Amino acid sequence: GENVEQHPSTLSVQEGDSAVIKCTYSDSASNYFPWYKQELGKRPQLIIDIRSNVGEKKDQRIAVTLNKTAKHFSLHITETQPEDSAVYFCAASFFNNDMRFGAGTRLTVKP
Amino acid sequence: NAGVTQTPKFQVLKTGQSMTLQCAQDMNHNSMYWYRQDPGMGLRLIYYSASEGTTDKGEVPNGYNVSRLNKREFSLRLESAAPSQTSVYFCASSEADRNTEAFFGQGTRLTVV
Repeated sequence: GENVEQHPSTLSVQEGDSAVIKCTYSDSASNYFPWYKQELGKRPQLIIDIRSNVGEKKDQRIAVTLNKTAKHFSLHITETQPEDSAVYFCAASFFNNDMRFGAGTRLTVKP
Repeated sequence: NAGVTQTPKFQVLKTGQSMTLQCAQDMNHNSMYWYRQDPGMGLRLIYYSASEGTTDKGEVPNGYNVSRLNKREFSLRLESAAPSQTSVYFCASSEADRNTEAFFGQGTRLTVV
């Protein structure tokens, strides 16, 4: 099955700075790469996703990049705010089958 | 629209006891999943079901069984609970064979003593 590795495990930034989280995957057949945000005690919720036919996608302060050759993808958050503090998970799958997640990154944004 | 509903929200079991975690979705999704979440280990896939009548093992299936009762419901059973199964369990659903969002239930916090 797919194996997803995520780094760093914890990340602390000052409000207004940028944050970058990186993931690598093992299965070259994977074609869907979502990112989920989980606030304390809550369920994971999708914040952005990217498909294998696209190299980059942006949604306001959030962007995701994908390098299929290197099998890695990254989440970029600009102008971070305290409400961005949460655990972020990357995932990879082939058409939503056998979706595997990274171990998560705990992001802390200091005011 | 309730989305994905899990029951119970909390449960304490003694070692060796059995129980079933229930999950239902009302979004007409074909694919359903069970994950466990442990500190520092992310969300690990236990089983998934790509359609009614089919189930497949994920990353950590040992000690669990699943039933896809119908399109709406996907249950997870622990036949003989062990302390290593203490975790938070999430059910999720998504459209099958399409790269779209998976929706999660609110989670079940299970403690095995």
